[in-house]
Amino acid sequence: DGGITQSPKYLFRKEGQNVTLSCEQNLNHDAMYWYRQDPGQGLRLIYYSQIVNDFQKGDIAEGYSVSREKKESFPLTVTSAQKNPTAFYLCASSSAGMYGLNTEAFFGQGTRLTVV
Amino acid sequence: QKEVEQDPGPLSVPEGAIVSLNCTYSNSAFQYFMWYRQYSRKGPELLMYTYSSGNKEDGRFTAQVDKSSKYISLFIRDSQPSDSATYLCAMRGTGNQFYFGTGTSLTVIP
Repeated sequence: DGGITQSPKYLFRKEGQNVTLSCEQNLNHDAMYWYRQDPGQGLRLIYYSQIVNDFQKGDIAEGYSVSREKKESFPLTVTSAQKNPTAFYLCASSSAGMYGLNTEAFFGQGTRLTVV
Repeated sequence: QKEVEQDPGPLSVPEGAIVSLNCTYSNSAFQYFMWYRQYSRKGPELLMYTYSSGNKEDGRFTAQVDKSSKYISLFIRDSQPSDSATYLCAMRGTGNQFYFGTGTSLTVIP
């Protein structure tokens, strides 16, 4: 089945540690996105990537890093510099439509990160 | 001012009711409109998408866009307890970023 796979589903991190969240898609989509979801704040964009080896900062990129070495994969690292990392993290992908503009986004099932 | 405004609810309706969910937006460049359903602790699931003003129907769901008023709606007919979820509106403008509402929490009571 085509889709987006995020792993792990739950992740616990000690303060001062870096952790990496995995996102893999087999939809052959060009664009991939990372969002953070907190209660009452909706989805906030962390990073997005339109093509391999290129990515752009979103609204809340500080304390996060990404790579896009393969079209299928867009891992997110939450570094120790992120002061409040406990949240629900969502990965999404989208295909390029007419005029190079992306069509609708499809989401993975999310990773819930908790700092302990 | 947020680019997309959505009443967070919560909204509670009896089974079989017609539900109306709404979003307003401020950026006239927005041209692609989507509705997502999100169950607790799950990723959002795409329900409907549309480019143009007017209505688009899919089963019990109707998406409505009024670009002149910068207003979009999702109607759910014959609502079911399984429709209980958070509904997110989303939009894309001339770039490749998506803009999301904060979501409306809906409960359908049997």
